[in-house]
Amino acid sequence: EVVMTQSPTTLSVSPGERATLSCRASQSVSFHLAWYQQKPGQAPSLLIYGASNRATGIPARFSGSGSGTEFSLTISSLQSEDFAVYYCQQYYKWPPYTFGQGTKLEIK
Amino acid sequence: EVQLVQSGGGLVKPGGSLRLSCEASGFTFSSYSMIWVRQSPGKGLEWVSSISSSGKYIYYADSVKGRFTISKDNTKNSLFLQMNSLRAEDTALYFCARRPSGDWPFDCWGQGTLVTVSS
Repeated sequence: EVVMTQSPTTLSVSPGERATLSCRASQSVSFHLAWYQQKPGQAPSLLIYGASNRATGIPARFSGSGSGTEFSLTISSLQSEDFAVYYCQQYYKWPPYTFGQGTKLEIK
Repeated sequence: EVQLVQSGGGLVKPGGSLRLSCEASGFTFSSYSMIWVRQSPGKGLEWVSSISSSGKYIYYADSVKGRFTISKDNTKNSLFLQMNSLRAEDTALYFCARRPSGDWPFDCWGQGTLVTVSS
């Protein structure tokens, strides 16, 4: 099973600033890495697929990078609606599909 | 509009059974694999089960294997999860999700349905 580890657990950032979230896989997942955003009381929604491709309708301030075992999600200028929990997920070696434990992005 | 609408959650006693449903609309349901993912209270996301577009290929997490059964009715655009021998640790918010063919993640999710296993 591929173990996904996200850091940090919580990230405090001021609106308008840049946020960078990290995700590490226990073995290579090539580019098969997705990022999801989950707001309180809502289902997760797909942000990034293929490590760096924005899903339909996702603003350009969201960008993903990385390959193999190291990945990151950057939000260039935080808006109020971006404060949420973010999960990475690998879909290279499955079953099982595996998720990171999540990073909570909170307002500083 | 692509939509997944879930139903069927509730409170059940340990050892009991429950059937979750997920009705799809706005896309060709028979062309997509479908997924169940759960989220325990205050916790992260856990993949539960997957079924291929035709229903031929089925996979389960070890934690539910032998107790849960996933199925798909392409004539009714519906996905199901039959949950038997429920345990307290199965208490979670259950989401259905869609996965396009090929190397894709889960691009559309249902609203979630809460399953509580308690005496």
